[in-house]
Amino acid sequence: AQKITQTQPGMFVQEKEAVTLDCTYDTSDPSYGLFWYKQPSSGEMIFLIYQGSYDQQNATEGRYSLNFQKARKSANLVISASQLGDSAMYFCAMREGPIGGTSYGKLTFGQGTILTVHP
Amino acid sequence: DGGITQSPKYLFRKEGQNVTLSCEQNLNHDAMYWYRQDPGQGLRLIYYSQIVNDFQKGDIAEGYSVSREKKESFPLTVTSAQKNPTAFYLCASSIGGTSGGYEQYFGPGTRLTVT
Repeated sequence: AQKITQTQPGMFVQEKEAVTLDCTYDTSDPSYGLFWYKQPSSGEMIFLIYQGSYDQQNATEGRYSLNFQKARKSANLVISASQLGDSAMYFCAMREGPIGGTSYGKLTFGQGTILTVHP
Repeated sequence: DGGITQSPKYLFRKEGQNVTLSCEQNLNHDAMYWYRQDPGQGLRLIYYSQIVNDFQKGDIAEGYSVSREKKESFPLTVTSAQKNPTAFYLCASSIGGTSGGYEQYFGPGTRLTVT
């Protein structure tokens, strides 16, 4: 079974509007972390936001917020006030196990969602 | 400036040749990782290292080898045994160690083409 599932191959949004990118995950470990990365056409991976499984509040970083629904095993990324520079591939990733545990910070990535922002 | 450097950005090789991809970091991170990305796909873990002189296989280690002789360096060799080596290779690092660490920081990547 896929550990990270991103069901939207591509998404379109109008500039200045909000957009939600979906991510569901599968793990039996009670301790895990969820990450979102942005990959522009140049190829580098840019860290956006992190959510720990025991964090009580949804993570926020500027225009990025993570809608964490633990019971549903979903960790959707919300980008508010979209900008043309947000056009990129977005990846959801998961670390299983606690920080400092034997997982050594290994990440499992989803297939990605291509976001296109229209002017 | 702290960061991760990968060189070269583009690499071309003939089939049957081994090739080594460079990855250097000056972030003082303990953990380093190598990923492979194929067109339109997510990242797959090749090898990772938590400390100097120690490394573990990831999900797709066959046909690859690594070394970790220095904390700041984690070179990846793509051997002739790798059946389909043409791909985009990304190196990453994280705080690692006993603190585990949170996010991984990535280098700019090396695009390898084997013909």
